[in-house]
Amino acid sequence: EPEVTQTPSHQVTQMGQEVILRCVPISNHLYFYWYRQILGQKVEFLVSFYNNEISEKSEIFDDQFSVERPDGSNFTLKIRSTKLEDSAMYFCASKGGGTDTQYFGPGTRLTVL
Amino acid sequence: KNEVEQSPQNLTAQEGEFITINCSYSVGISALHWLQQHPGGGIVSLFMLSSGKKKHGRLIATINIQEKHSSLHITASHPRDSAVYICAVQTSGSRLTFGEGTQLTVNP
Repeated sequence: EPEVTQTPSHQVTQMGQEVILRCVPISNHLYFYWYRQILGQKVEFLVSFYNNEISEKSEIFDDQFSVERPDGSNFTLKIRSTKLEDSAMYFCASKGGGTDTQYFGPGTRLTVL
Repeated sequence: KNEVEQSPQNLTAQEGEFITINCSYSVGISALHWLQQHPGGGIVSLFMLSSGKKKHGRLIATINIQEKHSSLHITASHPRDSAVYICAVQTSGSRLTFGEGTQLTVNP
């Protein structure tokens, strides 16, 4: 069964460094999402992406964040200058055009020191 | 106030028991999702509902749009059902707003 994959599974970085989290959505999906979950808290929407542009973003998704689909398969989330409070699990999700069901990747745990 | 409220926060059951998890929301929605989060963190979509009822195996999800309420039922619960169950509502576009989750523990 096709699945969403994410790399790395765990990323440790120093405050102020740039990180890129990578996702490979399911191949025929058209809509892509990033969510984050701070430890012990609920999952929060960051951004949705369709047709090579951002379709929606939350208040969390400020100028430090960017997303890109650099080729036909990858979908990336970049955090330009990480802060301690960016430490969280980041989930990528994708969905096809004819359904509202989103398929989640296993997550990348980001630890900012 | 959270847009999505779940109850209970924690639920412990004995194997075989019938389980109900509730979700109330305060905004207009286009759909409601039930998700399962495993201890390792992975999230799996269980149901997407916009009306009525859906059943998949031992899981049943219902929604009452007028009352802004949904329930997830598990029949004949099993220890492998132990997980966090999350209600999420779809409002504008396909953005999801999540509840806090219900931690379910089923003891043998």
